[in-house]
Amino acid sequence: GAVVSQHPSWVICKSGTSVKIECRSLDFQATTMFWYRQFPKQSLMLMATSNEGSKATYEQGVEKDKFLINHASLTLSTLTVTSAHPEDSSFYICSARVPGMNTEAFFGQGTRLTVV
Amino acid sequence: GQNIDQPTEMTATEGAIVQINCTYQTSGFNGLFWYQQHAGEAPTFLSYNVLDGLEEKGRFSSFLSRSKGYSYLLLKELQMKDSASYLCAVMDSNYQLIWGAGTKLIIKP
Repeated sequence: GAVVSQHPSWVICKSGTSVKIECRSLDFQATTMFWYRQFPKQSLMLMATSNEGSKATYEQGVEKDKFLINHASLTLSTLTVTSAHPEDSSFYICSARVPGMNTEAFFGQGTRLTVV
Repeated sequence: GQNIDQPTEMTATEGAIVQINCTYQTSGFNGLFWYQQHAGEAPTFLSYNVLDGLEEKGRFSSFLSRSKGYSYLLLKELQMKDSASYLCAVMDSNYQLIWGAGTKLIIKP
């Protein structure tokens, strides 16, 4: 299957700082990528849909000024958690689907963010 | 609203068979997916059903009934490594994935 690479796998940052998470599609061009957040023992929660060359579409309740998404190329989307707080500590996962294929999403490895 | 229901937790014995059910109510339907997620890892794709019936893939099988809004994932010859969460997801009319909360499967020796 297609490969999606996410970096870093884990990060610890101080409260008030910003953290950038990268999501790359390695062997296909992803015009659309998805960012999820998952708290312990809970399901994946879609945060936003990242569209190459245009603004991201955020889900209700997700602050777009806090979670900055940039999809500058067909293989890279970034999520920046700005002014992080301990309640932002979570597992962040990106995914992408091969364009034109109505099939499974391929996931990055996930990023465990801990804000102290 | 859109809703996907699956049991929160199930326990089974190594070598046995377990069936994880998923019921859904979504705006449109473009397929149902099952994913496996080990703790601290990203989900990995298991199966995709878009037509009614059973899809078999090794020890795992997935069934779909669109008229009933129902699917199940069947795991045979359970192994300890099958201990994980199993996520049911439906692709709606906008081709967006709607996720269930996941079923934590505990395998006992």
